[in-house]
Amino acid sequence: EPEVTQTPSHQVTQMGQEVILRCVPISNHLYFYWYRQILGQKVEFLVSFYNNEISEKSEIFDDQFSVERPDGSNFTLKIRSTKLEDSAMYFCASSATGQGIYGYTFGSGTRLTVV
Amino acid sequence: AQKITQTQPGMFVQEKEAVTLDCTYDTSDQSYGLFWYKQPSSGEMIFLIYQGSYDEQNATEGRYSLNFQKARKSANLVISASQLGDSAMYFCAMREGVADSWGKLQFGAGTQVVVTP
Repeated sequence: EPEVTQTPSHQVTQMGQEVILRCVPISNHLYFYWYRQILGQKVEFLVSFYNNEISEKSEIFDDQFSVERPDGSNFTLKIRSTKLEDSAMYFCASSATGQGIYGYTFGSGTRLTVV
Repeated sequence: AQKITQTQPGMFVQEKEAVTLDCTYDTSDQSYGLFWYKQPSSGEMIFLIYQGSYDEQNATEGRYSLNFQKARKSANLVISASQLGDSAMYFCAMREGVADSWGKLQFGAGTQVVVTP
């Protein structure tokens, strides 16, 4: 079964450092998303991406965050200068349609720890 | 206001029994989608089932069924014949609108299910 691949699975970084989280969505999917889940809390939407541009972003997704699809397969989330409160599990997801009627497939997540 | 409400923080269920996880939602859109995801202790998010707001029949996927009551704005997940491997956190989520929300999912707080032998 096709899957969304995220790397790395764990990342520890120092406060103020830049991190790039990588994702390979399902190959025929057109819509891509990043979500985050702070430990013990609900999953929160960060950004959606379609046709090589951001479709929607949440209040969390401020100027410290950016996304990119540098080639035909990868989808990245960059945090420019990490803060302690950025520590969370970050999920990449993709869907064939914007309505997600076939489901949104999530990756296994990257656990980011900012120290 | 909360868009998705899951009122059961945790539940214990015996193996082979059925369990119902509650989910209520709040939207003024006519077109929306409701989703359930399972998150085991390993952390990944596994898609279980989808119900569209215009679907007249309740969605079913194997042992999972969604009890969709549109007038009550509820979308409860029923897991039949629980197995030990069903122990996990379960999230209800909603996608509002059609094209203009571009698939943003809003999640509830989750229900932790523990299946006991």
